Amino acid sequence: QQQVKQSPQSLIVQKGGIPIINCAYENTAFDYFPWYQQFPGKGPALLIAIRPDVSEKKEGRFTISFNKSAKQFSLHIMDSQPGDSATYFCAASIGTSGSRLTFGEGTQLTVNP
Amino acid sequence: EAEVAQSPRYKITEKSQAVAFWCDPISGHATLYWYRQILGQGPELLVQFQDESVVDDSQLPKDRFSAERLKGVDSTLKIQPAELGDSAMYLCASRRDSSTDTQYFGPGTRLTVL
Repeated sequence: QQQVKQSPQSLIVQKGGIPIINCAYENTAFDYFPWYQQFPGKGPALLIAIRPDVSEKKEGRFTISFNKSAKQFSLHIMDSQPGDSATYFCAASIGTSGSRLTFGEGTQLTVNP
Repeated sequence: EAEVAQSPRYKITEKSQAVAFWCDPISGHATLYWYRQILGQGPELLVQFQDESVVDDSQLPKDRFSAERLKGVDSTLKIQPAELGDSAMYLCASRRDSSTDTQYFGPGTRLTVL
């Protein structure tokens, strides 16, 4: 059962643009929502994460927006650069119990120079 | 900066052969996870250890997959016999303890079954 749905599957923006990636979840027990960045042939690397007690979190050029009532969250990348070209995964877990991460399907982002 | 180590990075095997992957988590991390990532998809958990104990292996195909973490430090994931559908990236991740949610991933082992 797919519990985290991610869109779009792929995204192309120009340098300086603001790509937005969206995720929706089903399990209301989830309380930890990280975003991972993955380059080809590498393992996922944590970018930023949020808990449902806040509606927005910003770290550098990356911002998560969280809507608990809609069970949705999104990643915004400000002033995107070609080096941001990668696959981005949203995920969710019951963080306090250290449970498995349930990942979305991934979004392949291309930032053109 | 401490990292999760995995070996080998790449493995090519023929179907019906046995393969094994090794993971060394970040020092002091109590929780260890093995995920499988099929090309073009997100990782999916195979097995989770807390110290040396298995706490979640509900998605592990136990007829052919086994995992162990005997001393609660490093871990081995084994497949015997390998099937064509096992071709994937096998990722190990670790978490320090219950005070943090963050899981850190290793570089993965890319398995190709011919």
